Amino acid sequence: KAGVTQTPRYLIKTRGQQVTLSCSPISGHRSVSWYQQTPGQGLQFLFEYFSETQRNKGNFPGRFSGRQFSNSRSEMNVSTLELGDSALYLCASRKIDTQYFGPGTRLTVL
Amino acid sequence: EDQVTQSPEALRLQEGESSSLNCSYTVSGLRGLFWYRQDPGKGPEFLFTLYSAGEEKEKERLKATLTKKESFLHITAPKPEDSATYLCAVHASLYSGGSNYKLTFGKGTLLTVNP
Repeated sequence: KAGVTQTPRYLIKTRGQQVTLSCSPISGHRSVSWYQQTPGQGLQFLFEYFSETQRNKGNFPGRFSGRQFSNSRSEMNVSTLELGDSALYLCASRKIDTQYFGPGTRLTVL
Repeated sequence: EDQVTQSPEALRLQEGESSSLNCSYTVSGLRGLFWYRQDPGKGPEFLFTLYSAGEEKEKERLKATLTKKESFLHITAPKPEDSATYLCAVHASLYSGGSNYKLTFGKGTLLTVNP
């Protein structure tokens, strides 16, 4: 069974640009969550989508947004990038109460 | 606010030297405690879920236990391939049956096992 996939795996952007990250969940999983991981803050919850609806949101500015499609695939968008947005962005899909993570997208903002 | 604290931040062991990692938590209504393993440059890999105090789970050289305030990940006779960052996370909900799902993670313990 294929795991969670994320594209792209690496991304380099400059300040002020915007970026879109993509996540395909494990087949049959309807919940997708996004997390930001940095050395200083660790893993921090961004938001969760279930059946195309955002059900929970973490403490991040409105520049961070997401959506989920009818096939459960999800995208995350970050607008007006800042240097501090450099991080590993992880997507996780969930069945019942266990989340399974993808490999992440490494975003570098210059 | 839910809080998860892991200790130590880093642990260096010799191959075969058993030890334990600690995860202490403060939550309102624990619905599950999770252990993950993360290798450099990769996403966290699920290891265990624990739901109630007294529960134990085992997998190869790893054993996770849970009390009302903390969880331990015991590593017996570790091998170099056990080297990784071990993450603890909690799912908590003030209201039972709530649909909001969010994991709060600790900052992890970096385990290095030397041959």
